Amino acid sequence: DSGVTQTPKHLITATGQRVTLRCSPRSGDLSVYWYQQSLDQGLQFLIQYYNGEERAKGNILERFSAQQFPDLHSELNLSSLELGDSALYFCASSVFPGQGRGTGELFFGEGSRLTVL
Amino acid sequence: AQKITQTQPGMFVQEKEAVTLDCTYDTSDQSYGLFWYKQPSSGEMIFLIYQGSYDEQNATEGRYSLNFQKARKSANLVISASQLGDSAMYFCAMREGMIKAAGNKLTFGGGTRVLVKP
Repeated sequence: DSGVTQTPKHLITATGQRVTLRCSPRSGDLSVYWYQQSLDQGLQFLIQYYNGEERAKGNILERFSAQQFPDLHSELNLSSLELGDSALYFCASSVFPGQGRGTGELFFGEGSRLTVL
Repeated sequence: AQKITQTQPGMFVQEKEAVTLDCTYDTSDQSYGLFWYKQPSSGEMIFLIYQGSYDEQNATEGRYSLNFQKARKSANLVISASQLGDSAMYFCAMREGMIKAAGNKLTFGGGTRVLVKP
């Protein structure tokens, strides 16, 4: 158990709909990252938040948005869903042990599997 | 250009034998980190091993070792004495630059699927 919690684990919805994925990072972790994994592919970085502020952005579609709340949980909103949005969405968190210390390892949740029909 | 390349989409290995998974990377940073993650069929991402660009020795973690060849920009994962539970997808990933206070995203390769045969 990584300590990162994602809900829901599975979600089936229809094209054109909107869904919200939720992530609670490990206790004490200030950074949250969202990744998308389409079928049999690697993980694609979407967006990173640190202590409520957006810090890095990847190839995130305009139909997707995210935020991190004061309690550090994060939500990924996916709207106007298309068939191609079907994927496993991961949230990860990291801790900063000090400048130049640690590894920068990301701790991943179990993912939210989204199926768009 | 791809930052992380895993050229082996899938491979079979006999139980109790060793297997090497290839990973090459591309970065202009002097400071960076390389990671390997395991993704079993259940889907979660499990951290296996880490190698920093300034680490002089190859990283080892139990049955996992990382063959780091900096000049060739490769960071191959070696799994010794394969077990049936090693059947999974394996991803190589890279952190570019120094570790930031806010954290760093990782860039992942496309993965290698390993199937261990009894």
